[in-house]
Amino acid sequence: SQQGEEDPQALSIQEGENATMNCSYKTSINNLQWYRQNSGRGLVHLILIRSNEREKHSGRLRVTLDTSKKSSSLLITASRAADTASYFCATDEGNNRKLIWGLGTSLAVNP
Amino acid sequence: NAGVTQTPKFRVLKTGQSMTLLCAQDMNHEYMYWYRQDPGMGLRLIHYSVGEGTTAKGEVPDGYNVSRLKKQNFLLGLESAAPSQTSVYFCASRLMSYNSPLHFGNGTRLTVT
Repeated sequence: SQQGEEDPQALSIQEGENATMNCSYKTSINNLQWYRQNSGRGLVHLILIRSNEREKHSGRLRVTLDTSKKSSSLLITASRAADTASYFCATDEGNNRKLIWGLGTSLAVNP
Repeated sequence: NAGVTQTPKFRVLKTGQSMTLLCAQDMNHEYMYWYRQDPGMGLRLIHYSVGEGTTAKGEVPDGYNVSRLKKQNFLLGLESAAPSQTSVYFCASRLMSYNSPLHFGNGTRLTVT
């Protein structure tokens, strides 16, 4: 079953702009993870934020987590054409060894 | 260090044929997973394994079998392929820790006619 729900489903921006995508989930979690998938490739892990963390940075990526609202956001700053991909959030409840996946946000960055 | 390797990359089967997808990881990971990805459906877990010799069912296990005879390999079998099994199949692995990320292979694109 899909717990995470990404919003928006699709996003199109110009190079240099910031891209924000959101993820909502339903149950208590141990951590939330974001992944990127380029067309025709496997998913690549971007960042993991634990339930006791509120914000995390990695290069041009900024992730926030609001456990009271059961939501997370991924911000990509100064986007590049190479950021064009699908982005997925996944939640880890910690006790069943499986991740619960959202349906993804498709990001297009236009040169 | 190859990470997670899936073979084959592409395959076309006729209905009723069987095949095995192979996943190999060289990171000494305990946990391994098989997913299928279909348009609009996201990633759906087929089977997973938490260690050598163990397997467990995921969300959509029907029509598939798995084996984990060696820690580094996780095999996904289709005994009698059906058109509904046309999909892209991904294998992933991770350390035995719920704060560790998944490492994915590049997928197997399977078409069943």
